[in-house]
Amino acid sequence: SAVISQKPSRDICQRGTSLTIQCQVDSQVTMMFWYRQQPGQSLTLIATANQGSEATYESGFVIDKFPISRPNLTFSTLTVSNLSPEDSSIYLCSVESGGGGYTFGSGTRLTVV
Amino acid sequence: GENVEQHPSTLSVQEGDSAVIKCTYSDSASNYFPWYKQELGKRPQLIIDIRSNVGEKKDQRIAVTLNKTAKHFSLHITETQPEDSAVYFCAAGAGGTSYGKLTFGQGTILTVHP
Repeated sequence: SAVISQKPSRDICQRGTSLTIQCQVDSQVTMMFWYRQQPGQSLTLIATANQGSEATYESGFVIDKFPISRPNLTFSTLTVSNLSPEDSSIYLCSVESGGGGYTFGSGTRLTVV
Repeated sequence: GENVEQHPSTLSVQEGDSAVIKCTYSDSASNYFPWYKQELGKRPQLIIDIRSNVGEKKDQRIAVTLNKTAKHFSLHITETQPEDSAVYFCAAGAGGTSYGKLTFGQGTILTVHP
């Protein structure tokens, strides 16, 4: 099954700044997914990143706030821009793994102060 | 869009008992139903999944059942052990333009008492 390396694992950021999260997969994948998990909550899909095209955002998420890059079939970045305390969450990337299931990166715990 | 409801939000059982967590979904186009286990501070781990052409699937102490007509699916854990204590999430996914997108339930905190 696919193995995802996600970094950073955690960060503390000032209001108004941005954080870029990276995910590297050990195999080529068509789609990569970015999720947010707010404290004590479930996972919510932010966007789907396809190589060579614009990311597709879910309702409530916009490109200006969550720009995504997908330069090749093994890598993607999610930037969380203009940070506010409400952005404090865990952000996870996900890809389809062997056998049809979906595996997650280890997550990035973001705290905005 | 899809909506997934999960119950109960917390579940406490004695070691050796069975645990059942139930989910309902709204979108009849959903055809993939995974269950994830998330331990504190860790990533969600896929424990079992089922597709809409199957009614039941088992893997050792874990089983999932699916009722497409009623749009609900359940996770059954038998002979629970303290290491089963975690948050469990159900999810629903569809094909077509929604391929790969998972909608998650709210989660169930399972506590297994020794």
